[in-house]
Amino acid sequence: GAVVSQHPSWVICKSGTSVKIECRSLDFQATTMFWYRQFPKQSLMLMATSNEGSKATYEQGVEKDKFLINHASLTLSTLTVTSAHPEDSSFYICSASRGELNTIYFGEGSWLTVV
Amino acid sequence: SQQGEEDPQALSIQEGENATMNCSYKTSINNLQWYRQNSGRGLVHLILIRSNEREKHSGRLRVTLDTSKKSSSLLITASRAADTASYFCATDVTSGSRLTFGEGTQLTVNP
Repeated sequence: GAVVSQHPSWVICKSGTSVKIECRSLDFQATTMFWYRQFPKQSLMLMATSNEGSKATYEQGVEKDKFLINHASLTLSTLTVTSAHPEDSSFYICSASRGELNTIYFGEGSWLTVV
Repeated sequence: SQQGEEDPQALSIQEGENATMNCSYKTSINNLQWYRQNSGRGLVHLILIRSNEREKHSGRLRVTLDTSKKSSSLLITASRAADTASYFCATDVTSGSRLTFGEGTQLTVNP
């Protein structure tokens, strides 16, 4: 079964509004989670590294004020897309590493459509 | 920017044939992983190969790694229609699980 859960699986929002996506590690603690974005027929692009109890580390070119990441607990990271625009429509996927071997588990992803 | 480049971008074969996908990367790595993604879905981890390993097997999967050429290949033997998916390589420069993905290969296995 899934060990990393994302919610919602899909969301449609109006342009200019904000939308929050959650990423949960279900039966383990994850001090670090990662957020990726994937446009149709393209690869995954790392957006940011989410660190529990501290600020996220953003990749070059990713607007930290637009993509707010909060990692308030060891099992939950949230990505908030603020003032969403149609070009933000994408598939957003999180991952978390588990255990000493840092086995990586991905969530099922969240489809965001901004209309 | 993407660390990896994969070829071919798309591959169409008949059931029972073997499928080979290649991945190249640019910097030194800690390990390289292959993932599968069905359309519109999350990623499924297939296999991890460490930088000090040259070949690894898992069922019908065979992965090779050539660190001198900074390249890896994924071979799927005796392919099935259910293998139809996108396949991505991902490199991990450190052990911190921060992955950089290749462009991916779209594999279609025709019944």
